[in-house]
Amino acid sequence: RKEVEQDPGPFNVPEGATVAFNCTYSNSASQSFFWYRQDCRKEPKLLMSVYSSGNEDGRFTAQLNRASQYISLLIRDSKLSDSATYLCVVFTDSNYQLIWGAGTKLIIKP
Amino acid sequence: TAGITQAPTSQILAAGRSMTLRCTQDMRHNAMYWYRQDLGLGLRLIHYSNTAGTTGKGEVPDGYSVSRANTDDFPLTLASAVPSQTSVYFCASSDAVNTEAFFGQGTRLTVV
Repeated sequence: RKEVEQDPGPFNVPEGATVAFNCTYSNSASQSFFWYRQDCRKEPKLLMSVYSSGNEDGRFTAQLNRASQYISLLIRDSKLSDSATYLCVVFTDSNYQLIWGAGTKLIIKP
Repeated sequence: TAGITQAPTSQILAAGRSMTLRCTQDMRHNAMYWYRQDLGLGLRLIHYSNTAGTTGKGEVPDGYSVSRANTDDFPLTLASAVPSQTSVYFCASSDAVNTEAFFGQGTRLTVV
């Protein structure tokens, strides 16, 4: 089993809709969690960190569920510009490295 | 602001040849990383350096070497390239290992 797993998609979503996807992690000792966004043929960029209490940044909401070992990303009122691949990243003290999911591809259609 | 810079942006390399991918950051970050990204596999860590003067092996280190002589530079060397090393290579840096990572624009390497 991979340490960090994501549904590869693609998720095809009409503009204006709400979309959510999850990322599961296998190490219960994982401590830090992030969502990155990667546009086609570009470098990944931090979208948001994920805090234990959950956090929101505009149309984006991130949640952490430690009991079930997953993090989620919710995008409301989706825009065409939200089309990208969303990467889940987990940091664990035991291996002292960031572990990256393979990404979920999101396509927003007009 | 420059941030983190990689060179070259793309390269076609004959199998068996050696090559060094360059990476420079101007953010005085302690940690630096080299990843390769292949379709369907996501980012895989090749080598990392938590601070100048130290390096460590990541998930896929074979065929690659790195050095970290100073804070700013973290070159990645392929001693004898093979076609399976065809990939997009990203260099990244972060202030600490569990904080935001900043990426270079990537190097597209094709080994033929």
